[in-house]
Amino acid sequence: AQSVTQPDIHITVSEGASLELRCNYSYGATPYLFWYVQSPGQGLQLLLKYFSGDTLVQGIKGFEAEFKRSQSSFNLRKPSVHWSDAAEYFCAVGGPFSDKLIFGTGTRLQVFP
Amino acid sequence: DGGITQSPKYLFRKEGQNVTLSCEQNLNHDAMYWYRQDPGQGLRLIYYSQIVNDFQKGDIAEGYSVSREKKESFPLTVTSAQKNPTAFYLCATRGRFTEAFFGQGTRLTVV
Repeated sequence: AQSVTQPDIHITVSEGASLELRCNYSYGATPYLFWYVQSPGQGLQLLLKYFSGDTLVQGIKGFEAEFKRSQSSFNLRKPSVHWSDAAEYFCAVGGPFSDKLIFGTGTRLQVFP
Repeated sequence: DGGITQSPKYLFRKEGQNVTLSCEQNLNHDAMYWYRQDPGQGLRLIYYSQIVNDFQKGDIAEGYSVSREKKESFPLTVTSAQKNPTAFYLCATRGRFTEAFFGQGTRLTVV
């Protein structure tokens, strides 16, 4: 069955600290993987995506993620967090052909000055 | 102006009433999705459609209905059979080999 697990419900970091948000997926074929960010009461904005090729992908706002097939993981990282990064982050998995897209339960990031 | 438009932004429903949430897109995407968002539960898939006049149930379809008569439109009806409809509803579209694009959401409240 297709599923996404984000084990960290809530993470708190200090501004300037590094960040890693975990994502594990289950998918029966080659996965298309995504990270989205959501501010309160808003829709979701794409941070980055992995379809194929280089397993380290760069996204917007200084984020990157690494696809590890052997661990079924797609963790999101940022070397130095800014206060404006405080939001909720969602990992998602799907196939290439506009089919079912499944999201994790999200990780809420809080940033302290 | 390309994108996805959800309306209304806020919607109030009385007990036993059906309400319809609108989702329109001009991205020419084949696939459209409806998700429900509750605190701590992430986005749960209600229905999705990959082509006009066809749609599939997601994980929580009970109490909801959809139609896909036009490529641009995928309205969601929350029926009286949905016992706990208060939530944030998100519509998304996706083309082949692309990411999903989201609307700004509709917040539905039962009064």
